[in-house]
Order: sequence, then C-alpha cells, then structure tokens
Amino acid sequence: NAGVTQTPKFRVLKTGQSMTLLCAQDMNHEYMYWYRQDPGMGLRLIHYSVGEGTTAKGEVPDGYNVSRLKKQNFLLGLESAAPSQTSVYFCASRRPDQIEQYFGPGTRLTVT
Amino acid sequence: AQRVTQPEKLLSVFKGAPVELKCNYSYSGSPELFWYVQYSRQRLQLLLRHISRESIKGFTADLNKGETSFHLKKPFAQEEDSAMYYCAPQGGGYNKLIFGAGTRLAVHP
Repeated sequence: NAGVTQTPKFRVLKTGQSMTLLCAQDMNHEYMYWYRQDPGMGLRLIHYSVGEGTTAKGEVPDGYNVSRLKKQNFLLGLESAAPSQTSVYFCASRRPDQIEQYFGPGTRLTVT
Repeated sequence: AQRVTQPEKLLSVFKGAPVELKCNYSYSGSPELFWYVQYSRQRLQLLLRHISRESIKGFTADLNKGETSFHLKKPFAQEEDSAMYYCAPQGGGYNKLIFGAGTRLAVHP
C-alpha cells in the first residue's frame, strides 16, 4: 500500500515548456486535490476532483489544467510554464466519508 | 472571505519550554478545524482535529468560537517537534481545506 505517490520528484523547465505531473493513489479514494506550496503562503488549492471524469477549479487554477480519467490518477498539466509556477506541488486524496486528507511527497518544480 | 492567519512565521524555543502556535480564522459556517504538520523531508500529515479533542504527541488545540481561534499548545517542547505546522479549516463544497501560511517551530537543545 503505497498511499499517494507523485511523479516526478523534481523537474526543471524552461519558460514556455509543458509538462504533466502525475498523482496516483491506491486507497480507492474518490476525492483528489492538487495544491501548490510557496514560501509565506502555505498551501493553495489549484484544482480538485470528486470522482472519475470530474474536475473543478480551486483557489489558483490559472495556467493549469487537470484530468481524472482513472479514479486512481489525477494529472496536473502546465501547457506553457512560467517562472511564477516555480513551486512545490502536493497532491492529496481522501474518502468522501472521512475528513483526513492524505498527501503525497511533493514535486519540486523550477521554471527558469 | 475565508481566511486563516498564523501570525508567527518562526517560533524558536528551547527544549522543555511551553509552545503555543497561534491560529485565527475567518470562515463562514461551521468548519472543521485541523492542524497538519510537515517534518523535514516528510510529507504533510494530519496532527490533530478539533472534533476529536485528542492529544497527539503531547499537543492539544482548543477551539474558541468566540475569538475564532484554534491555537496549538504543548507544555514541554521536544527537539523532534521541530517542523512546519499548518492550521487548516475544512468546509464548504467537497470539504476543501484552506491552509494558513504555516509556522516553523524550531526546538533547540
């Protein structure tokens, strides 16, 4: 039982490049979330999903897209990376009937 | 607007001293309140929730609805308590968490 995993752990992009971050969970959780963590700002919600095939915008969705084609996976895409997207990205998941969110280890992304 | 304020970015204490990490929130409705912790090189994890009124690793947190505060306390800090602590109310649609900016607790020997 790996819990929540994130791929890759680290990545450096040039401005304008695209990439996809993968979040996978093996706990059969319905809800999944993508956050970004910036110094002095805590974690901010980018997008979330309440089930396979559904996604919704969070607090800071601009510049990101997401997809939830399979229940266990939640993908975060950057179509044209900008330096402002340099951050640590965390994925989380939980069951609808439980409160606790389970977090992945994070992906450190640097955009130059 | 929903907002969480953790006024201290850094709290530095010596081992054995009491600690209090402050959290004030502005939130419509009646949110659940949580403290999450992130130890060095580890993932974010739940420390405690107000509804269970539990003590975890010696930490307790009291919800004061009148002052809209949820401060985290421990009477005797240990070096292994050094970490980032986030206050997080949860509520609204699909129970989204709102995180404070976090307080780094540094416990010195």
